[in-house]
Amino acid sequence: SQTIHQWPATLVQPVGSPLSLECTVEGTSNPNLYWYRQAAGRGLQLLFYSVGIGQISSEVPQNLSASRPQDRQFILSSKKLLLSDSGFYLCAWSVEGGYTFGSGTRLTVV
Amino acid sequence: GEDVEQSLFLSVREGDSSVINCTYTDSSSTYLYWYKQEPGAGLQLLTYIFSNMDMKQDQRLTVLLNKKDKHLSLRIADTQTGDSAIYFCAERGYNQGGKLIFGQGTELSVKP
Repeated sequence: SQTIHQWPATLVQPVGSPLSLECTVEGTSNPNLYWYRQAAGRGLQLLFYSVGIGQISSEVPQNLSASRPQDRQFILSSKKLLLSDSGFYLCAWSVEGGYTFGSGTRLTVV
Repeated sequence: GEDVEQSLFLSVREGDSSVINCTYTDSSSTYLYWYKQEPGAGLQLLTYIFSNMDMKQDQRLTVLLNKKDKHLSLRIADTQTGDSAIYFCAERGYNQGGKLIFGQGTELSVKP
């Protein structure tokens, strides 16, 4: 079956520390992968998407980066977190129009 | 550019019907989606409609699409307190990567 795993579920990090959030999918090949951020419990902003290994498109300039080292692995990173990076981060994948979202990571930068 | 808009709040009484509205700008939209988000949780796909359809019904949910006016609505019949959540409209156009563009979400409050 097709599943998506995202971890950790919650994370509290100090300003200036690095970040690595991981997302993996199972049961599908060559999916499109996405990272969204939801700030203040509202609208979802697309941060990055990937149509294949090593192919990353950035939607908005920011303090974050993404990588796709394997077909079913998508990583969101930062070298130095800012307070404004706090939010709810959601990974998603799609194949042929269907989208599945992970359970999200709530990041609080203190 | 692509834009999706929704009203932010809706309050209804238990047992009434709820209608959540959404407008979008991308005329090349292929699929339109409704997602539900409960407090602290991820997104749950409720239903979707292909752009060449004008209505889709799934149990208590009815989706209406007016492609000419780029207007999408979600009707929830016999609304229950468990339906209280934020509802997101999203559209997928002919964009690179098949990106979903989301509205700001409508917070539905169901009062007993």
